[in-house]
Amino acid sequence: ETGVTQTPRHLVMGMTNKKSLKCEQHLGHNAMYWYKQSAKKPLELMFVYSLEERVENNSVPSRFSPECPNSSHLFLHLHTLQPEDSALYLCASSRGPSTGNGEQYFGPGTRLTVT
Amino acid sequence: GQNIDQPTEMTATEGAIVQINCTYQTSGFNGLFWYQQHAGEAPTFLSYNVLDGLEEKGRFSSFLSRSKGYSYLLLKELQMKDSASYLCASMDSNYQLIWGAGTKLIIKP
Repeated sequence: ETGVTQTPRHLVMGMTNKKSLKCEQHLGHNAMYWYKQSAKKPLELMFVYSLEERVENNSVPSRFSPECPNSSHLFLHLHTLQPEDSALYLCASSRGPSTGNGEQYFGPGTRLTVT
Repeated sequence: GQNIDQPTEMTATEGAIVQINCTYQTSGFNGLFWYQQHAGEAPTFLSYNVLDGLEEKGRFSSFLSRSKGYSYLLLKELQMKDSASYLCASMDSNYQLIWGAGTKLIIKP
């Protein structure tokens, strides 16, 4: 138990569906992250939020839309996804995005399958 | 460009020692991280090095050479539960983590 929870743990959706992933951290951290993890590939940073403001968007397609209503919650809204978007989506938090030893705590991830 | 290289897979025997190497090239450097990830689970933090040298933490140690852009994770007295993927990540000048693809470590009895 890392103090970061994600729901749902598994999600199967069609390409025309709209769904949302939820992340919550109970660590009092100020920064939250969305990562995509595909098999045998490095973790891909998608979005970074610091104090509820988006700091980084690494050229992610617009079919992924993040939302950070407060420093404890992070959402990833999904619509019109493609089969290649099937992956494990990991949420993480840290004290801040601009700190040395910025150890990140990860949630268990949402295994997404797009059919 | 930014790049992290580590072996795809390694095999070792229970009770033995294994060293997992990582080389990195990033825009700026603010430290080197190692994470462990068991299949189907979240990555968990193992170690952080920002100065050259060896950091020891129980059965696990991590080494850094900034001049060589090189790090290794040393696991001693291997146990079956150490079977996992080990992820190397370098923190760049923007404090973003650049990740390797991970090394899958298989422990055999």
